[in-house]
Amino acid sequence: KQEVTQIPAALSVPEGENLVLNCSFTDSAIYNLQWFRQDPGKGLTSLLLIQSSQREQTSGRLNASLDKSSGRSTLYIAASQPGDSATYLCAAINQAGTALIFGKGTTLSVSS
Amino acid sequence: ETGVTQSPTHLIKTRGQQVTLRCSSQSGHNTVSWYQQALGQGPQFIFQYYREEENGRGNFPPRFSGLQFPNYSSELNVNALELDDSALYLCASSSPGAGGDTQYFGPGTRLTVL
Repeated sequence: KQEVTQIPAALSVPEGENLVLNCSFTDSAIYNLQWFRQDPGKGLTSLLLIQSSQREQTSGRLNASLDKSSGRSTLYIAASQPGDSATYLCAAINQAGTALIFGKGTTLSVSS
Repeated sequence: ETGVTQSPTHLIKTRGQQVTLRCSSQSGHNTVSWYQQALGQGPQFIFQYYREEENGRGNFPPRFSGLQFPNYSSELNVNALELDDSALYLCASSSPGAGGDTQYFGPGTRLTVL
């Protein structure tokens, strides 16, 4: 059974810092991995999707990497801003391509 | 391009009642998935519908059921509501196999069971 873990659960940083959010998964037979952002009480916004054959994806200040062999993914946020404050969730999609299996998220607070 | 929409935004029910939640998929998407997110937890997969057929189900009891319509919109029905059903219910649409594996989520329906 696939399990996804995110560390740390919460993170507070001053504006301008570069930071790394970690995600680990137990079953390396994933179809792809997706990172999301969730603002309080809101739905999920897709940030990056990494196909199982890829090693990383970039969008603006965000870079996500995937290492299937070690069961890890990282989300790198460069030059953090207060507007980046949110909960970041990673999710592994199963081989059938149906279910997203989520971690509990990392809640990020960026202070100005 | 219209995004994923859900209705209602909030709902309050009492234990034992039944509820129907609705989701309209993003234009061009033929697959809808439903998730339950309890407070402080990540979303949990309920089931997925592809071209009006159930295409995968998570660890939820049969009182959670769904439908998908020819226009690919979807309903989630929950019978015999329990207090633990209080959660944010999210639907996501996608179009697998068309280079669109990304799932796009709606804003969610907040269900409170008293």
